[in-house]
Amino acid sequence: DSGVTQTPKHLITATGQRVTLRCSPRSGDLSVYWYQQSLDQGLQFLIHYYNGEERAKGNILERFSAQQFPDLHSELNLSSLELGDSALYFCASSQDRNTGELFFGEGSRLTVL
Amino acid sequence: GQNIDQPTEMTATEGAIVQINCTYQTSGFNGLFWYQQHAGEAPTFLSYNVLDGLEEKGRFSSFLSRSKGYSYLLLKELQMKDSASYLCAVRAEVSGGYNKLIFGAGTRLAVHP
Repeated sequence: DSGVTQTPKHLITATGQRVTLRCSPRSGDLSVYWYQQSLDQGLQFLIHYYNGEERAKGNILERFSAQQFPDLHSELNLSSLELGDSALYFCASSQDRNTGELFFGEGSRLTVL
Repeated sequence: GQNIDQPTEMTATEGAIVQINCTYQTSGFNGLFWYQQHAGEAPTFLSYNVLDGLEEKGRFSSFLSRSKGYSYLLLKELQMKDSASYLCAVRAEVSGGYNKLIFGAGTRLAVHP
């Protein structure tokens, strides 16, 4: 158990819909990262938050947005969903801003039908 | 931009040694990580190199050559439980002293009896 909690574990929805994925980092970790992993694909970096502020952005679509709240939990919002958005979405946390060892949650598996 | 290459698949025999190579091209290089990911599970940290040379940790060792943009992960005394994907990840500095961790597509290792 990494100490990072993600909900929901599984989510099935339809095209055009909007979903929110939630992540609680390890106690004391200030950094939260979001990654997308499609079937047989590598982990694609989406976004990094440190202590509530966005610090780095990857190939995150405009339909996707994220935020980190004062209690350090984070949410990833995915809207106007398309079939290709079906993937495992991982959240990871680390103690500092320098992206050291990341601790990953178990992931949220999103299926868009 | 960043580019990370590693073989897609490898097979090896239980008890043997296997070397998984990773080459990368990136600006702002600031360290290289190896993660292990069993199918359907979260990635877990294996090793970290920032200076040239070999880092040994039990049955696993990782090597880095910054001038060549090259790393390898060496797994000794292979066990069946080592069957997993091995992800090479490069840390790259972005503005403001922050970093992002970019993952390769991973090498799927199958260990046979």
